[in-house]
Amino acid sequence: DAKTTQPPSMDCAEGRAANLPCNHSTISGNEYVYWYRQIHSQGPQYIIHGLKNNETNEMASLIITEDRKSSTLILPHATLRDTAVYYCIVRVAVSGFGNEKLTFGTGTRLTIIP
Amino acid sequence: DARVTQTPRDKVTEMGQEVTMRCQPILGHNTVFWYRQTMMQGLELLAYFRNRAPLDDSGMPKDRFSAEMPDATLATLKIQPSEPRDSAVYFCASGFLLAGVVNEQFFGPGTRLTVL
Repeated sequence: DAKTTQPPSMDCAEGRAANLPCNHSTISGNEYVYWYRQIHSQGPQYIIHGLKNNETNEMASLIITEDRKSSTLILPHATLRDTAVYYCIVRVAVSGFGNEKLTFGTGTRLTIIP
Repeated sequence: DARVTQTPRDKVTEMGQEVTMRCQPILGHNTVFWYRQTMMQGLELLAYFRNRAPLDDSGMPKDRFSAEMPDATLATLKIQPSEPRDSAVYFCASGFLLAGVVNEQFFGPGTRLTVL
């Protein structure tokens, strides 16, 4: 799996959009970008994933650059409950031995400020 | 709503003792994962199963760890004998294979293990 680089921490004001960047310059053509988050003392939670097109769901939007070397997770209206560590993960999205593995890095610790 | 459950939530034991952690995946999910989280190593995959068969256990210390799925509703992770370096939070996750991939893994609340 390609490696990812994320800033170690970020702050965002409550009610504003939180934009979390991720660099994955060595991503391969068959690798997807996944985002998970982990709220303190809980298990990780899936947020969104994408290949090359922008994706949106009820939790967030994922913007992937045209060259796919970086992406941004956007939480449109951050609340205090969004305070968590956010992980950007690159993974081949094909079933097979070892392909299911999520390799978590150190992530970005996002703090929502009241 | 459907959730992955894990027992026990906390376990304190002495070095050398056997530890068994249990996980009930979400009903209908056919893929089960075991992860371990420590401050030093972060989150790392230990093993995972598809339809109760082990697919990858390369992340698991073979000499003392074992993972099984006695049936579709129960996954177990055993450590025998336990060592202080096994102290960590152990997470179970489950997911459903759809179109050849498990996109969303649902994590349980974890078992916090302390080995004295």
